[in-house]
Amino acid sequence: DTGVSQDPRHKITKRGQNVTFRCDPISEHNRLYWYRQTLGQGPEFLTYFQNEAQLEKSRLLSDRFSAERPKGSFSTLEIQRTEQGDSAMYLCASSKPRSSYEQYFGPGTRLTVT
Amino acid sequence: AQSVTQLDSQVPVFEEAPVELRCNYSSSVSVYLFWYVQYPNQGLQLLLKYLSGSTLVESINGFEAEFNKSQTSFHLRKPSVHISDTAEYFCAVNNQGGKLIFGQGTELSVKP
Repeated sequence: DTGVSQDPRHKITKRGQNVTFRCDPISEHNRLYWYRQTLGQGPEFLTYFQNEAQLEKSRLLSDRFSAERPKGSFSTLEIQRTEQGDSAMYLCASSKPRSSYEQYFGPGTRLTVT
Repeated sequence: AQSVTQLDSQVPVFEEAPVELRCNYSSSVSVYLFWYVQYPNQGLQLLLKYLSGSTLVESINGFEAEFNKSQTSFHLRKPSVHISDTAEYFCAVNNQGGKLIFGQGTELSVKP
């Protein structure tokens, strides 16, 4: 396994701009999760996919956030009209069939909104 | 709703001393329990997990955690810590479904 990868690792953007992050899960992992982690806090769940279907979205995921996993492989998380409060680490995780509770995390994308 | 409480935000300890990081959870259903470790500027690594069976689980690097259903706790322990154990530790629960619910984290600082 090559592990979960995320791109970019760091992103600095100005308030009001749109940003998109990518996550590549471990191959053959059918579930993919997005979490957000702010400084000094534990990760908070945003959304998850099983294959290409988005099964759950948190109330934290405002209408400025959208996530896709079009072919059931990689996923993208887009934030429109970024705000300073969006500054955080965005973590992606994946899990394999019949072991969905055991999630493997990527290195994260650190977003700074100025 | 499920929740996880890590009772200590920071735990300073000297090298080779024992340590306990406390975690309590609330859930009305059976859960799976996890400890993750996060080193600076890195993602989370699974340290150990409780799914079922023996209530005492161990990791390869000397950590152990004990599931206590009556006290709804899953405390993490190590009898002798090393400088390299310095990191943020997160307790998490999963209700056999999708998302993980994390605690606020405990910063373990091991001093020489």
